[in-house]
Amino acid sequence: EAGVAQSPRYKIIEKRQSVAFWCNPISGHATLYWYQQILGQGPKLLIQFQNNGVVDDSQLPKDRFSAERLKGVDSTLKIQPAKLEDSAVYLCASSPSGRSYEQYFGPGTRLTVT
Amino acid sequence: AQSVSQHNHHVILSEAASLELGCNYSYGGTVNLFWYVQYPGQHLQLLLKYFSGDPLVKGIKGFEAEFIKSKFSFNLRKPSVQWSDTAEYFCAVNAPWGNNRLAFGKGNQVVVIP
Repeated sequence: EAGVAQSPRYKIIEKRQSVAFWCNPISGHATLYWYQQILGQGPKLLIQFQNNGVVDDSQLPKDRFSAERLKGVDSTLKIQPAKLEDSAVYLCASSPSGRSYEQYFGPGTRLTVT
Repeated sequence: AQSVSQHNHHVILSEAASLELGCNYSYGGTVNLFWYVQYPGQHLQLLLKYFSGDPLVKGIKGFEAEFIKSKFSFNLRKPSVQWSDTAEYFCAVNAPWGNNRLAFGKGNQVVVIP
């Protein structure tokens, strides 16, 4: 079974630039999550999708972050414009519907904002 | 909001030593509890989980965790570590009747010296 795929694996940008990350969940998983993991901290949920609808985006900084999952499969997370404090690893995870305790994580995208 | 505390962020020990990592959560209701592990260069993956029943949970690779409700704790243990246990360990909590969001602790970086 293929795991959660993410790209790119690494990205370096300057502050005020834009960046986008892509995630393809495990086939058949209805729920998709984006997490932000700052160095020295645990992952923090940014947004959760159920199919193509948003379930929880209460911790997403909506002034600069956006995410979509238009067809209910893969998803993109965008930051525009980036700030220095956005430097982190962005993790994507997926789970079968109704089983949020069974999350499978992708390798993450390490973002460095200079 | 639920929070998860992990102490002793950096742990260094020799092979065959015993390991215990503490995890405390601040949430009064029924919770699901997890330990995740991230080996160097690999994805975050589930080590073990507790939903109900026997408070002593056994996971992969000889790890176990004990849920003590009165102490709001879910400590991870392994009697004899190996070099391959070098990894970062995260405790996580979610409330099955809430928004099901996974709240992670800050993690424990464990280094096992051969």
